[in-house]
Amino acid sequence: AQSVSQHNHHVILSEAASLELGCNYSYGGTVNLFWYVQYPGQHLQLLLKYFSGDPLVKGIKGFEAEFIKSKFSFNLRKPSVQWSDTAEYFCAVNVGNDMRFGAGTRLTVKP
Amino acid sequence: NAGVTQTPKFQVLKTGQSMTLQCAQDMNHNSMYWYRQDPGMGLRLIYYSASEGTTDKGEVPNGYNVSRLNKREFSLRLESAAPSQTSGYFCASSEPWGLNEKLFFGSGTQLSVL
Repeated sequence: AQSVSQHNHHVILSEAASLELGCNYSYGGTVNLFWYVQYPGQHLQLLLKYFSGDPLVKGIKGFEAEFIKSKFSFNLRKPSVQWSDTAEYFCAVNVGNDMRFGAGTRLTVKP
Repeated sequence: NAGVTQTPKFQVLKTGQSMTLQCAQDMNHNSMYWYRQDPGMGLRLIYYSASEGTTDKGEVPNGYNVSRLNKREFSLRLESAAPSQTSGYFCASSEPWGLNEKLFFGSGTQLSVL
């Protein structure tokens, strides 16, 4: 079945640690890829997106993601996390008029 | 500019009761969506409306109905609420893909069905 998989359910890091959150999708053909973030008590916001071109995309707040077509992956990275990055992160894939989300990864950053 | 506005923010229902979740956007977007968010399952699409006058089923439409009243408003109705519908509900809007690349979300409705 077509799906979006996020490998980690809950990640706990200390401040200044490096972050990588995995995302794999199983849709064939051309896809548009997104990472959304939901801070505690807030609605979802777009972090970054990939439509075409350079497979390494940079988003807000120092986040970046790399699209690897051969691996059907779109992993999110940040070199040095901050306490304020504590949030839930959702990978999403746009297929036609539909946007499918992964189950989310909860990131807790310890000060 | 309010963006996407959802009401109510919280609701408690008894099994079998009905209710309508309201959503309105002021960005002149064509496309609107209703998602539910459950722990460990992320967001799942219930229904979407690609333009005024059209609606389509998403991944989990059973137990729900929608109405695209006009370009601004897209409501979600639960005719006979069930405990399995306890969830967070999020409305979103966007321009058609290719013109604008992101969803704008409302602040959500937390629904509990007892």
